[in-house]
Amino acid sequence: GEDVEQSLFLSVREGDSSVINCTYTDSSSTYLYWYKQEPGAGLQLLTYIFSNMDMKQDQRLTVLLNKKDKHLSLRIADTQTGDSAIYFCAEEYNNDMRFGAGTRLTVKP
Amino acid sequence: DVKVTQSSRYLVKRTGEKVFLECVQDMDHENMFWYRQDPGLGLRLIYFSYDVKMKEKGDIPEGYSVSREKKERFSLILESASTNQTSMYLCASSSARGEGGNTIYFGEGSWLTVV
Repeated sequence: GEDVEQSLFLSVREGDSSVINCTYTDSSSTYLYWYKQEPGAGLQLLTYIFSNMDMKQDQRLTVLLNKKDKHLSLRIADTQTGDSAIYFCAEEYNNDMRFGAGTRLTVKP
Repeated sequence: DVKVTQSSRYLVKRTGEKVFLECVQDMDHENMFWYRQDPGLGLRLIYFSYDVKMKEKGDIPEGYSVSREKKERFSLILESASTNQTSMYLCASSSARGEGGNTIYFGEGSWLTVV
């Protein structure tokens, strides 16, 4: 399909791991990105991964990339209430990006 | 750090008014973008610009125009605001010269309500 796809909602308990999944469209995308949007704010770049990597770790964040299936995931270890936000997956597209619709992560105490 | 600044965080305008949303970036980025964000629809690209005085239509340009007279400034114009333009508007910029490809950096957003 033409769209970057993500599930719209995810709910976890504080301290658990969160996994947000994304399917992208263009196998030639050089970079793939995860953005975080807190309520009432703009999108903040969380991390990106170069397409020749299959994993990138940054503190509590782990990005996994499966190029064959065009599948990207973001794992947040030890999820905290401050991680509650909308998470957007994005792929490079010409000089722009294609964004998913965003996954709203709710962290319950 | 990259800074993208949108001049107005919250605006309320009347139907038919002309509305200007201003955006400034301080990182000498070539590319600038305007998106709108609506619940359940994600981000939709309105217009973008690769250079001064240059503009390209995005996915939903109808009812909007843009102006880029200086490299650091990109304005979104609603010639005659309508209620279906009530939305959150996000300005962004990017550079192919940066780390992470064409990483896009966003402003804080402008909430526009048209009554």
